[in-house]
Amino acid sequence: DAGVIQSPRHEVTEMGQEVTLRCKPISGHDYLFWYRQTMMRGLELLIYFNNNVPIDDSGMPEDRFSAKMPNASFSTLKIQPSEPRDSAVYFCASRARRVNEKLFFGSGTQLSVL
Amino acid sequence: DAKTTQPTSMDCAEGRAANLPCNHSTISGNEYVYWYRQIHSQGPQYIIHGLKNNETNEMASLIITEDRKSSTLILPHATLRDTAVYYCIVRVEYGNKLVFGAGTILRVKS
Repeated sequence: DAGVIQSPRHEVTEMGQEVTLRCKPISGHDYLFWYRQTMMRGLELLIYFNNNVPIDDSGMPEDRFSAKMPNASFSTLKIQPSEPRDSAVYFCASRARRVNEKLFFGSGTQLSVL
Repeated sequence: DAKTTQPTSMDCAEGRAANLPCNHSTISGNEYVYWYRQIHSQGPQYIIHGLKNNETNEMASLIITEDRKSSTLILPHATLRDTAVYYCIVRVEYGNKLVFGAGTILRVKS
């Protein structure tokens, strides 16, 4: 398996633009998580899905952030409009349904909003 | 989920054992201890987890005290590639969220 695949690897955009980050989880995994990492706040859980359904989005910072999972093999995290304070590394992770299953992370998307 | 406390940073000589402590004094009976690490510019990677018995796998050993209030992750023969941030996390068995703290920066030096 290729692991969790995220794209793009790097994204540079200007304030006010829409940004879409993409994630392909490991095949067969039922859970998908979006994390954000900054120097100031560390790794923060934004939202997670179970069987394509959003379960907990309490970590989503504002209405400018939205996440979707239209099918078991694809998820997006969208920021509209983007702001400089959204600059961070965004990680997607997935895991299987079994109890205590390990979390597998993608390589992340480095987002810079100018 | 219970909170954990880890030292901010540690150094270890290459080839020696690295012992990373974690305090989780408020841990509940149904909470597991997980360890992940994050090498620079990569996503976190699972290392090991346990409930109350000591655990060992190909990467590391996990020693949990009898009262479960603390644990130690042991990398038996640290290499330069083990330089990373190590996260100790406590989570209930059926919990879905994995909440990361600040972790311990381990620097392995030659």
